[in-house]
This record gives sequence, C-alpha cells and structure tokens, in this order.
Amino acid sequence: KQEVTQIPAALSVPEGENLVLNCSFTDSAIYNLQWFRQDPGKGLTSLLLIQSSQREQTSGRLNASLDKSSGRSTLYIAASQPGDSATYLCAVKTDSSYKLIFGSGTRLLVRP
Amino acid sequence: DTEVTQTPKHLVMGMTNKKSLKCEQHMGHRAMYWYKQKAKKPPELMFVYSYEKLSINESVPSRFSPECPNSSLLNLHLHALQPEDSALYLCASSQDGRGGYAFFGQGTRLTVV
Repeated sequence: KQEVTQIPAALSVPEGENLVLNCSFTDSAIYNLQWFRQDPGKGLTSLLLIQSSQREQTSGRLNASLDKSSGRSTLYIAASQPGDSATYLCAVKTDSSYKLIFGSGTRLLVRP
Repeated sequence: DTEVTQTPKHLVMGMTNKKSLKCEQHMGHRAMYWYKQKAKKPPELMFVYSYEKLSINESVPSRFSPECPNSSLLNLHLHALQPEDSALYLCASSQDGRGGYAFFGQGTRLTVV
C-alpha cells in the first residue's frame, strides 16, 4: 500500500530564504507526482507535475525533483516571499490506480 | 480555461435534509473526482468517474451519492448526513484517469447541524 510522507510538518523562514520541502513515498511504481499549494479553507492549486520518467520540473521560482529509486521528491522554493505562505502537498499517482495519494502536507510561513 | 467550478461555496444542512454539490469543468477532461478534506488533514478520495462511468468508490457511505450527467458535470447528492460529515468537499478533474495534471476546484465547505 502506497504511503506518502512529508517532512517537515511546518516550517517558518524569513523572507528571501531559499527552502526545500520533502516528500517521500513507499512504492516506487508511480505514474507521476504532483505538488500542490493550498491556502487556508481553499482548494488546491497545482504547482508542478513530474512524470515518472522525468527527473525535475521548473516553474518560475519553483523546482521539483524526483528520485523514484529512493522514493523521494523535493520542492525547492527560491527567494521565498510572504505570499508563498500556505500548505504544500505532494501527491502520487500509482501505476495500478486512478488515485492521487496525498502526503499530510508542510505548512510554510514566510515572515516579512 | 483551467478552471474547475464548484457550487455552492458554503452549505449548512440539517441531518434530515437533501442537498447536492455541483462541479463543472470545460477543459474536456474525462476523469472527475470527489475528495473530502477534514481540517488540517490531506484530501481523501471518495469517488472517481472515468468517461462518465463510476470507476472507484472508496467504500463511501450510501448517504453520499455521486452522479455524472455528462462529461463536464459532476454532482454529489447528500442525504441524511451526520455532523462528522462536515468537511471541505473538493472536486477535481484530469485529462483521463492516468496521467496529466489534476485540477481542483475551490471546494464546498459543508456544515451538518
């Protein structure tokens, strides 16, 4: 059974700092991995999608990497801003299922 | 247009009421999903429709009844809910059930009294 873990559960950093969020999964037979952002009480905003054959994806200040063999993905946020404060969720789609299986998220606070 | 639209945004209902949540997308996606999210928890999958057919039901109680009238619309009919069903209900869609981005709506905040 696929399990997805995110560490740390919460992170507080000063504005301008570069930071890394971690996501690990137990079954390397994934189809893709997606990173989302969620503001309090709101829906999920898709940030980046990495297919199983890819190693990384970039969008603006965000860079996501994938290492299937070790069951890990990282989301790198460069030059963090207070507007980046939100919960970040990773989710994996396994080969054998239509399901997106979510990690429990990292709550990020970027202090001005 | 990469939008998934959910209505209503907020809903308060009594335990004897019948109500429906609505979800709409016009991206030509053929897979649509219902998720339930409790406070400070990740979303949990409830149902998946693929090409307008129910393909996954995650053992959801029958008081939740999904419906996919066409490829753009997804409904969730609610009846005789319990207070513990209060949560944020999220709809999502993707190009098909396998790959591609999953796009989420803003959710319906449901309170059962």
